[in-house]
Amino acid sequence: GENVEQHPSTLSVQEGDSAVIKCTYSDSASNYFPWYKQELGKRPQLIIDIRSNVGEKKDQRIAVTLNKTAKHFSLHITETQPEDSAVYFCAATLGSSASKIIFGSGTRLSIRP
Amino acid sequence: EAGVVQSPRYKIIEKKQPVAFWCNPISGHNTLYWYRQNLGQGPELLIRYENEEAVDDSQLPKDRFSAERLKGVDSTLKIQPAELGDSAVYLCASSLDPAVAYNEQFFGPGTRLTVL
Repeated sequence: GENVEQHPSTLSVQEGDSAVIKCTYSDSASNYFPWYKQELGKRPQLIIDIRSNVGEKKDQRIAVTLNKTAKHFSLHITETQPEDSAVYFCAATLGSSASKIIFGSGTRLSIRP
Repeated sequence: EAGVVQSPRYKIIEKKQPVAFWCNPISGHNTLYWYRQNLGQGPELLIRYENEEAVDDSQLPKDRFSAERLKGVDSTLKIQPAELGDSAVYLCASSLDPAVAYNEQFFGPGTRLTVL
């Protein structure tokens, strides 16, 4: 079946450095790619998303890039802060359906002080 | 505005017992989702409702799981009987009219189920 692969599973960076999380998807019809942040014991929350007609999107310290040809997309966090520590999930729509998304397995990001 | 509400937050039961989870979506959200999240994994869709209709239940283990969304608002997910492998966090999410593309899904806090 269709899936989304996410790497790395854990990532530790020094405070102030950048963090990059990468995902690949298998369904060439996928057209929407949200990223969710889940702090320990809390609900997943959308932090940024990108549509297939856009190659890059930025929101303050967070940016996402999409390469449709290679079917991969990445999350970039710059100037990391302690509050960025969480599990991050990438996701992709199944086909062009806006309502069904498949999640990656998550990346546990730790920011070292 | 209140977010997605779920109850209970935690549930511990013995195997073979029944269990039910309740979800109240954000007011006005037509689409409701139930996900299961195993430890260290991303959420996996169990069932999706558009109003009161289950439009995608392909991943729901129908031999023991059932769900309903009467009147297209609140929803209940039931497991009967529960097995050890059902231990997980059960997340409910909701989003606006599916006719609107790229709807953000808003998640509830989840119910952490432990089956002993």
